[in-house]
Amino acid sequence: AQSVTQLGSHVSVSEGALVLLRCNYSSSVPPYLFWYVQYPNQGLQLLLKYTSAATLVKGINGFEAEFKKSETSFHLTKPSAHMSDAAEYFCAVSEGGNNRLAFGKGNQVVVIP
Amino acid sequence: SAVISQKPSRDICQRGTSLTIQCQVDSQVTMMFWYRQQPGQSLTLIATANQGSEATYESGFVIDKFPISRPNLTFSTLTVSNMSPEDSSIYLCSAIQGDYGYTFGSGTRLTVV
Repeated sequence: AQSVTQLGSHVSVSEGALVLLRCNYSSSVPPYLFWYVQYPNQGLQLLLKYTSAATLVKGINGFEAEFKKSETSFHLTKPSAHMSDAAEYFCAVSEGGNNRLAFGKGNQVVVIP
Repeated sequence: SAVISQKPSRDICQRGTSLTIQCQVDSQVTMMFWYRQQPGQSLTLIATANQGSEATYESGFVIDKFPISRPNLTFSTLTVSNMSPEDSSIYLCSAIQGDYGYTFGSGTRLTVV
């Protein structure tokens, strides 16, 4: 079964600094990978997804992620953090036809002015 | 992508009672999913709901506790039965449309007292 590992439940970043959230996955078939953001008291919003096309994926709000098969990773980055980026971020994996999403534990991002 | 309306958005319930959560999608979708997000935790899949067949439950979840209906391609309900304080969570429905287009409802925040 597929699984996702996200280390560091809380991540603090200074406003204007690089945001880096790490995600490593395990999958028995070529994976489909996703990053979601959850703002307080809201549902999940898709940031970006990888579905076997370009390995560098650009998403909304200036975020991007790179699929590295050799490292089984799909790390999320944003060059310059904004206060509005404070939220919880989840990495998720789906094994193609299975279509079920498995989520990581999430990263709570705090942006320091 | 599909838009999902989920209700109620929140509820406070007495232990021993049941709550039915409704999920309405603005277009026909093939697969729908129900997730639980316990306080400070990630999302855990409860079951997959397909129209015209019984829901498929994940390990640790049973139909008697979480009965699910899927009467058509745009609607599903999840009932949390005989509730206890341990059922206090956010419950989210999700739908898949097209190629890996997962959309989530805004969630139902349930508190059992």
